[in-house]
Amino acid sequence: QITLKESGPTLVKPTQTLTLTCTFSGFSLNSNGVGVGWIRQPPGKALEWLAVIYWNDDKRYSSSLMSRLTITKDTSKNQVVFTMTNMDPVDTATYFCAHSPPRGSSRRFDYWGQGTLVTVSS
Amino acid sequence: DIQMTQSPSSLSASIGERVTITCRASQDISSYLNWYQQKPGKAPKLLIYATSTLQSGVPSRFSGSGSGTDFTLIISDLQPEDFATYYCQQSYSTPHTFGGGTKVEI
Repeated sequence: QITLKESGPTLVKPTQTLTLTCTFSGFSLNSNGVGVGWIRQPPGKALEWLAVIYWNDDKRYSSSLMSRLTITKDTSKNQVVFTMTNMDPVDTATYFCAHSPPRGSSRRFDYWGQGTLVTVSS
Repeated sequence: DIQMTQSPSSLSASIGERVTITCRASQDISSYLNWYQQKPGKAPKLLIYATSTLQSGVPSRFSGSGSGTDFTLIISDLQPEDFATYYCQQSYSTPHTFGGGTKVEI
């Protein structure tokens, strides 16, 4: 059974760096083809794809946010860490991590964490 | 980046109706198109991947079709639990962008 859970601060100040951890179980990030991604959703708005890291340490980022994002993995702890620098109130959103199975016919997110709401405010 | 445009942004439907949601990509994405369902306060749920493959456990009243730039999600025989927001996502090239969503309401 695959599960994922996001953890981190619920409130950050403008200009601060956000660090979120995705702790997962039921799969290994050492397994060929597997990935973990981050997606966010501002209140009342659409989903936004942010970043993904794959089993081979291949990392991909949102084009518009690339300069602010970092994603890393710790396979021994079954964790993926996501950081976003220079936070702004427009970055207020629910942040989700999700499992990406081996590609097969299409990259996709088949298991999601519950999400964590991060508010940016002074 | 590939832009994904969904239409309509919202629709009203009744139980038992057939609902059609469309998704258009800004360039050819072959069949690399996924659909998700999201209910308020919950994480999205994968419904369909690779345009038409039903995720395990998803009812057969959901179906997907299309290729290239134009795709469709059909819900036949709409059920009460289907009232939600639906998102398409392209996985042809990163960033794997999402559409703006379609809210299905009563």
